[in-house]
Amino acid sequence: KNEVEQSPQNLTAQEGEFITINCSYSVGISALHWLQQHPGGGIVSLFMLSSGKKKHGRLIATINIQEKHSSLHITASHPRDSAVYICAEMDSNYQLIWGAGTKLIIKP
Amino acid sequence: NAGVTQTPKFQVLKTGQSMTLQCAQDMNHEYMSWYRQDPGMGLRLIHYSVGAGITDQGEVPNGYNVSRSTTEDFPLRLLSAAPSQTSVYFCASSYSMVSSTIYEQYFGPGTRLTVT
Repeated sequence: KNEVEQSPQNLTAQEGEFITINCSYSVGISALHWLQQHPGGGIVSLFMLSSGKKKHGRLIATINIQEKHSSLHITASHPRDSAVYICAEMDSNYQLIWGAGTKLIIKP
Repeated sequence: NAGVTQTPKFQVLKTGQSMTLQCAQDMNHEYMSWYRQDPGMGLRLIHYSVGAGITDQGEVPNGYNVSRSTTEDFPLRLLSAAPSQTSVYFCASSYSMVSSTIYEQYFGPGTRLTVT
């Protein structure tokens, strides 16, 4: 069974701290997806990556296909980064399998 | 572009009632899907469609029907609502879902459904 595990489940940090959220998956894939879900419920796509690293503003996503692991980093965190961050892998039927999410709270 | 729209935003049903959650996209996306999100659990796929006239079951299809008569619309029908179907429902679309390529997923704002 394909499984996607995220850690930590909950993370509280002070403004300015460097944040790392981890995602491990059980099936070898070609790409992984990171989403952000705002406190109001809206979901937006952050990254899709199949190798190496991608950067968008203060967000950086990395993936190691051999180790079946991906990380999402946030530099100079800000209270507006408070959200749930979700990763997903694609299974053999080309369907996305989602992790349970990491709830991040950044305190001012 | 309006993106992905969902109606209604909130709905309360009694056990046994039926209803349809509406989803529409104006991006000419081939792939559309319905997810439910429950506390402490990830998004779970209910049904999906890779194009007009084609639908298939996801991880948790029981109690739900879908149809895709047009590229734009992908309604989700609850046949006989049960308390276990209390959840937040998200519709999503993407350009395609073929091979091993992930295309960006666009999500609707969600429908919060309560079944009493």
